[in-house]
Parts: sequence; structure tokens; C-alpha cells
Amino acid sequence: GAVVSQHPSWVICKSGTSVKIECRSLDFQATTMFWYRQFPKQSLMLMATSNEGSKATYEQGVEKDKFLINHASLTLSTLTVTSAHPEDSSFYICSAREETGGSLDTQYFGPGTRLTVL
Amino acid sequence: AQKVTQAQTEISVVEKEDVTLDCVYETRDTTYYLFWYKQPPSGELVFLIRRNSFDEQNEISGRYSWNFQKSTSSFNFTITASQVVDSAVYFCALTLGYNFNKFYFGSGTKLNVKP
Repeated sequence: GAVVSQHPSWVICKSGTSVKIECRSLDFQATTMFWYRQFPKQSLMLMATSNEGSKATYEQGVEKDKFLINHASLTLSTLTVTSAHPEDSSFYICSAREETGGSLDTQYFGPGTRLTVL
Repeated sequence: AQKVTQAQTEISVVEKEDVTLDCVYETRDTTYYLFWYKQPPSGELVFLIRRNSFDEQNEISGRYSWNFQKSTSSFNFTITASQVVDSAVYFCALTLGYNFNKFYFGSGTKLNVKP
């Protein structure tokens, strides 16, 4: 089946630094990718929808200047957490939509990236 | 507005017991998909099943079975003869239409299967 990868799988950084997380669709092209955030013992919440070649669409309450999303190719979307703070520590999961037409479309989720900000 | 409710926060069973995880959803859309995912401690979401709103047939896959009832807006998941390896957090999710855009996740049910 389709595979979505994320890199890195975990990262520890100091407060105030920026961290970039990559999401790649390995065997299909994805016009649309999605970024979710999951706090410990909580559910996944959609942060933003990443569209290849255009600006990302952010969910209400998500700071677009803090969470920069770039979807420069059909297989890669990046999420950059700028000036990270401890409260940004979370599990970030991306997903990519495989478009095969109509009801056969589906989303595949990446393995997640655990970010810890000290 | 869309919403997925998993009222059971945590369930503990002894190996070989059957367990049902509840999922209730809310949407006014007539076209939607429902999903179940398993999230082991590693964090990676493991896809289990998806169902579209026009297919109310129940499904069985090995020890897993799903009961979809539109009349009660429920999509429950039963594990028969549970095993320790079933221990994980299970999420029910909803997406609207055929575009597979935003997923609405329930809060998850943590299943502990004890030997």
C-alpha cells in the first residue's frame, strides 16, 4: 500500500530555535497533505491543509506565522515550527491524500514526529 | 458541525475476553466515511477499516468486527478473544464527502489487555 514517511521521527530542540519536519509520499503524488497535532493522551487535531503550489489553509486558532508549511512538490510537504517553545512539544502527524478518482481516494498517515522543546 | 465521540476513555480486559469500543458520530452530511485506527505506543496510526455512509453492512475481519448503524449514528468496533498485542489506543474518525479532506477524530479509547 501507499506509504508516507516523516523525518525526523523525533527531535529535541532548545526553546527559541526553529524545527523543520518533512512529510513525504513515497509511492504516489499528493496534491494535498495534512498536518495534525496530538498532545499526550489526546486526540489528533488538524492544524492545516497543505496544497502543492499554493498557500496552506490553517484551521482556526493555529498561528500560520508560527507553523510554516511549504508544499513545494507533489511528494513533499514541510512543517517548520518557528521559535519553538515548550508548549509546542507534541506529536506531529502528517497525512497525504492519494487521488485515484472519486470514492477511491484515501488518506495515508505518516508515522509521526515527536517534538520536545526544552 | 461534525463530531466524533468515544465515550470510553480507557478499557481493561483480560486476554481472551471480547471487548467493544463505542463510536458515535454527528454530521448533517449524507455522504461521509468512517474509519477506525489503532495507535500503538510507537505512535504510528494503523488503518483498520473504512466505511462509507451508504454501506451499512457489518464487516468481520478475523477477530475484528464492526457494526455500523446509521439509525443511531454509531460505528462500534468489537475485538473477539482479545490478545495482549491488541493493547493500544483506538481512534474512530469521520471525513465528509469523497474528497478525504479533514478528518474528525474521536478522543480515542485506550485498550489494555492483560495476560
